[in-house]
Amino acid sequence: AQSVAQPEDQVNVAEGNPLTVKCTYSVSGNPYLFWYVQYPNRGLQFLLKYITGDNLVKGSYGFEAEFNKSQTSFHLKKPSALVSDSALYFCAASGGYNKLIFGAGTRLAVHP
Amino acid sequence: DAGVIQSPRHEVTEMGQEVTLRCKPISGHNSLFWYRQTMMRGLELLIYFNNNVPIDDSGMPEDRFSAKMPNASFSTLKIQPSEPRDSAVYFCASSSPPGGGEQYFGPGTRLTVT
Repeated sequence: AQSVAQPEDQVNVAEGNPLTVKCTYSVSGNPYLFWYVQYPNRGLQFLLKYITGDNLVKGSYGFEAEFNKSQTSFHLKKPSALVSDSALYFCAASGGYNKLIFGAGTRLAVHP
Repeated sequence: DAGVIQSPRHEVTEMGQEVTLRCKPISGHNSLFWYRQTMMRGLELLIYFNNNVPIDDSGMPEDRFSAKMPNASFSTLKIQPSEPRDSAVYFCASSSPPGGGEQYFGPGTRLTVT
């Protein structure tokens, strides 16, 4: 079965420190990979996607993600975290016919 | 573009009542998705349409749930009769290109069934 795993329910980071939110996938073929962010009482917002090419993808709000085919991972990163980055983050992989397979989400808490 | 529009934003109803949620996708998008989000179950895909045709409704919980997309600019998700366990935030999303286009989500409808 196709799946996306986010092994951490919550990630805690001090403001100004680098952050990483982990994601691994088990999807057939060469999937497209996505990161979304959800702020309280809001819908999911698209951050970035990987289709092909450079393994380091840059997205909105200074976020980037690194694709690693051998490890089937697509970790989200940011060099310097902001308190305003605190939110729920979802990793997703294409599952055919425009469908996305979402991970369970990781809550990022950035402390001042 | 105004983005994906959902109405109502909040709905409070009594058990047994019919509930209809509405969605207007982004103009030009040919795929539409209905999701449900709860603390216990996370984000669940209920059903999705491509070019107004339902492609996969395997996520619809039971026969009380139905969805339609009569045209490219409108979709409804209906629950009849509603039950307290249907309380959740329901999201609509749309996307454009085939084979892995990013989905754009609406603000959601928070449904409370008492």
